[in-house]
Amino acid sequence: SQTIHQWPATLVQPVGSPLSLECTVEGTSNPNLYWYRQAAGRGLQLLFYSVGIGQISSEVPQNLSASRPQDRQFILSSKKLLLSDSGFYLCAWGRGDGTTQPQHFGDGTRLSIL
Amino acid sequence: ELKVEQNPLFLSMQEGKNYTIYCNYSTTSDRLYWYRQDPGKSLESLFVLLSNGAVKQEGRLMASLDTKARLSTLHITAAVHDLSATYFCAVDQKSSGDKLTFGTGTRLAVRP
Repeated sequence: SQTIHQWPATLVQPVGSPLSLECTVEGTSNPNLYWYRQAAGRGLQLLFYSVGIGQISSEVPQNLSASRPQDRQFILSSKKLLLSDSGFYLCAWGRGDGTTQPQHFGDGTRLSIL
Repeated sequence: ELKVEQNPLFLSMQEGKNYTIYCNYSTTSDRLYWYRQDPGKSLESLFVLLSNGAVKQEGRLMASLDTKARLSTLHITAAVHDLSATYFCAVDQKSSGDKLTFGTGTRLAVRP
């Protein structure tokens, strides 16, 4: 069966510090991968998605970047965090082959910027 | 641009009562999903609705889809406390690379 791992679970960082969040998927190959952000009490905003290694699409201009160095690895980064980067970050995977299966989400990273 | 709206945003229900959450979307879509999120947790998939008239049921929850009206409903029957959570609908389009656009969410609180 497929599983998705996301870490760390929580992170407290000072303004201006760098960021690296990692997500890996097991049990499937060539998944579509997604990074979402959820502000407190709000819905989910799609930040980046990837349909293959090295292929990244950005949905929202911002202070963040994403990379996909391996088929089942998706990394969210920032060189200098802003206060507005606080939130709950969720990684998700989908089959991307026109299947009717839903996207599956990791447990999320709660990021607080001080 | 695809927009997805849910109402109500917050719903306080008594145990044993029935209620419906509504999800409207702005353009033709290929698939509609319902997710549940417990406080501080990730999202759990509940239903996938693929075609006009589709109805799915799991326990006290039933979801339906009317593609002509661009409307999905999530009906709660005889609510129990364990159903307290935030419910999201989400819509995708094959032409957009299977990206999901989420509704604002409905926070459901079931009280005794």
